[in-house]
Amino acid sequence: DAGVIQSPRHEVTEMGQEVTLRCKPISGHNSLFWYRQTMMRGLELLIYFNNNVPIDDSGMPEDRFSAKMPNASFSTLKIQPSEPRDSAVYFCASNFRIQGGTEAFFGQGTRLTVV
Amino acid sequence: TQLLEQSPQFLSIQEGENLTVYCNSSSVFSSLQWYRQEPGEGPVLLVTVVTGGEVKKLKRLTFQFGDARKDSSLHITAAQPGDTGLYLCAGGSNYKLTFGKGTLLTVNP
Repeated sequence: DAGVIQSPRHEVTEMGQEVTLRCKPISGHNSLFWYRQTMMRGLELLIYFNNNVPIDDSGMPEDRFSAKMPNASFSTLKIQPSEPRDSAVYFCASNFRIQGGTEAFFGQGTRLTVV
Repeated sequence: TQLLEQSPQFLSIQEGENLTVYCNSSSVFSSLQWYRQEPGEGPVLLVTVVTGGEVKKLKRLTFQFGDARKDSSLHITAAQPGDTGLYLCAGGSNYKLTFGKGTLLTVNP
């Protein structure tokens, strides 16, 4: 299996521009997570999907952030308009949720820089 | 809000030394996981512990879950340069994983 695939790996954009991050989860997994990692705050959960339905978006920082999962093999995280404080590494993770453990398989991340 | 505190934040040691890093919380978790993250990569799961008092060994790594399921430790014996990385603990509660900020370990040859 190729693992969780994220694109792009790096994104540099100007403040005010729209940014779209993409994720392909592991085939067969029914849960998908978007995380943001910064030095100051560590890894923060932004949103969680189960069976393509958003279950918990309480971590989405503000209305500028939106996420979709139109099918089981694709998800996007959009920031519009982007701001310098959005600069971070964004990770997508997936798993097959069963009773008990919730081990997550992470992609390689997208390093976003907003200038 | 469930928080996980990891200590130390940074650790630099020589090859061959032993070390222990800690993960503490005021909350009870149904499971606790340890991940290692290398530069430019996503975290990779090392182990999951679910039972209070549980000890798991993975080659030179020993993981322990506290009796009250609020804290955990990771002990590395005879550290090697390949052990260098960011070690993250994560508490599992239902579907959610709450991560600590990690311990950045550097093992010098």
